[in-house]
Amino acid sequence: NAGVTQTPKFRVLKTGQSMTLLCAQDMNHEYMYWYRQDPGMGLRLIHYSVGEGTTAKGEVPDGYNVSRLKKQNFLLGLESAAPSQTSVYFCASSYSNVQPQHFGDGTRLSIL
Amino acid sequence: GESVGLHLPTLSVQEGDNSIINCAYSNSASDYFIWYKQESGKGPQFIIDIRSNMDKRQGQRVTVLLNKTVKHLSLQIAATQPGDSAVYFCAENMEGGADGLTFGKGTHLIIQP
Repeated sequence: NAGVTQTPKFRVLKTGQSMTLLCAQDMNHEYMYWYRQDPGMGLRLIHYSVGEGTTAKGEVPDGYNVSRLKKQNFLLGLESAAPSQTSVYFCASSYSNVQPQHFGDGTRLSIL
Repeated sequence: GESVGLHLPTLSVQEGDNSIINCAYSNSASDYFIWYKQESGKGPQFIIDIRSNMDKRQGQRVTVLLNKTVKHLSLQIAATQPGDSAVYFCAENMEGGADGLTFGKGTHLIIQP
C-alpha cells in the first residue's frame, strides 16, 4: 500500500533556482494539499486542490505554484527559491475536507 | 485564519500511565477535529477524529473528548507505551469549507521508563 508518495525526499538548492516537488496518491482521493512545516510549528497550508484541474491558495501561497493535471498527482513548484522557503514540505490527500488526510513522509528542502 | 493551539509543548509520562494531551481551538464554526501523531522524520499519522455533533469518541487505547462550550479538545492515551513517543497535533476544519486543516503547534510526548 503506497498511499501518498513524495519525491524527492531531500534536496539542496541555491537561491534563485527552481524546482518541482512531486506528490502521488493511489487512493483515488479528490482532495490534495501541500503544507510546509517549520521547526516548533504545526503544518501550514500552501495550496490545495479539490479535484483534477482545480487549485486554490492556502495560508502561505506566496512564492509557490501548483498544478493538478491528473487526479493522482499534485505538483508544487518553486520558481525562484529563497532561503525563507527552507522547510519540510508535506503532501496530503483525502476524500473530502471532513475526512482524515493521509500524509506522505515529506520532502526536506534547504535553500542556501 | 483562526488558529488551533496546544497548552503544553512537552508532556512527560511514565510508561504504563495514561496520557492526556489538550488542545484549545478558537474557531467556533469548526465542526471537524482530528488528532495526528508525528514521529521523527515521518509525516503525520492519523489517530482519531470527531465531529462536532459528538463529545466523545473512542478508538484502540485512545479517546478524544470535545467540549464545544469552552472550545477544548483532548486526546487520552491509555497505558502509554514507548512507541507512543512522538509529537501530537490537533487540527480542525469546517464542513463546506475547502481549505485544508488548521494545525496547532504540537505537544511532544515523552515516555519515561
